[in-house]
Amino acid sequence: EVQLVESGGGLVKPGRSLRLSCTASGFTFGDYAMSWFRQAPGKGLEWVGFIRSKAYGGTTEYAASVKGRFTISRDDSKSIAYLQMNSLKTEDTAVYYCTREPTTYYDSSGYPDYWGQGTLVTVSS
Amino acid sequence: NFMLTQPHSVSESPGKTVTISCTGSSGSIASNYVQWYQQRPGSAPTTVIYEDNQRPSGVPDRFSGSIDSSSNSASLTISGLKTEDEADYYCQSYDSSNRVFGGGTKLTVL
Repeated sequence: EVQLVESGGGLVKPGRSLRLSCTASGFTFGDYAMSWFRQAPGKGLEWVGFIRSKAYGGTTEYAASVKGRFTISRDDSKSIAYLQMNSLKTEDTAVYYCTREPTTYYDSSGYPDYWGQGTLVTVSS
Repeated sequence: NFMLTQPHSVSESPGKTVTISCTGSSGSIASNYVQWYQQRPGSAPTTVIYEDNQRPSGVPDRFSGSIDSSSNSASLTISGLKTEDEADYYCQSYDSSNRVFGGGTKLTVL
């Protein structure tokens, strides 16, 4: 059974950093691209970015709203994807979801087939 | 910037059929794939349609997706409505190097 478990959320002050983890199980993690999405309280879904598998260079794509502040990485030996968030703003407050992508493209195309339950990040002074 | 517009809410009775629209602001919605996600209250989203009209394994065939180039819109149709279908539904497509979401539609099954 595919499982994705996010962790690392919490309360952080504006301008500070936070790293989220997504621990995967039930599939060969290294074969898949992994994405992050977020959802602000009471709002809709927003794509954050994704990382391709090593077979596709392990390269990343990001939404314009987080480019330059957020970094996605992966540790295939541990089956974990990370979302490093720097220079956090109050508008980054959201539930962050990790997802698996069954198909890899060389642009930002793609879609998730499995979603984690999410972890809440609150940016507030 | 490319935008996707969905109705804020729709409602229908159990056993009936409902269609949720997703209209592109410019260009051709048929140029890029459209996905649909279901989010039940208090739960994470799930993918119910990908690449315009494909259903992931486990999604019942009551769910179907389509594209109408003449109206530049995508549609999610749910037939034989069940109370468990009550949820928020989001469409998603692409614009340049970004994934774009519609604002979501709240489906009430009453």
